[in-house]
Amino acid sequence: DTAVSQTPKYLVTQMGNDKSIKCEQNLGHDTMYWYKQDSKKFLKIMFSYNNKELIINETVPNRFSPKSPDKAHLNLHINSLELGDSAVYFCASSHRQGDNEQFFGPGTRLTVL
Amino acid sequence: GQSLEQPSEVTAVEGAIVQINCTYQTSGFYGLSWYQQHDGGAPTFLSYNGLDGLEETGRFSSFLSRSDSYGYLLLQELQMKDSASYFCAVRGFSGGYNKLIFGAGTRLAVHP
Repeated sequence: DTAVSQTPKYLVTQMGNDKSIKCEQNLGHDTMYWYKQDSKKFLKIMFSYNNKELIINETVPNRFSPKSPDKAHLNLHINSLELGDSAVYFCASSHRQGDNEQFFGPGTRLTVL
Repeated sequence: GQSLEQPSEVTAVEGAIVQINCTYQTSGFYGLSWYQQHDGGAPTFLSYNGLDGLEETGRFSSFLSRSDSYGYLLLQELQMKDSASYFCAVRGFSGGYNKLIFGAGTRLAVHP
């Protein structure tokens, strides 16, 4: 059973397009996250939700909009994609807010052409 | 501000012991964690130190000294499968949030 799953695994698209990445966790965790990992493997948090409520919103362009329909799902929509958005996006979850053990999804490699 | 420093690369041979150091600077320190990431894979949690001292989990141990703002991950009896990137992460306050802040990662290459 996959604990944290993301779709799609790969996403190749043109500049200016709008795309979404979906994430689901079946661990019963309260908290979910979106991270961005750039080409130098630097892993940086973008957003965090706790029980469907946004609790962390980093300095991310407002072209990025997360949405949590329920506490098992956290989706990421990106408008007007730019070259610099190319990265691997990881969804993660933790039992509670503030837990140091986070469970990461397999990642979505986004390439903007 | 928040900052973590760890070596960018470490090389070792199978069966050896390697130590990956991490120094940090953060507001409101709440513990040091370590994550492993294989190429093309997802980060996976290895260990957490909230208090000073050594935590041992099988071949891996992690150490923390809060007074020195320093920790390390010790990998013993290295195996080829240990070749991966290792990230230290501190939980601290930044931008008004309590969150995990990751270092840039140390790429470990294990050779036969």
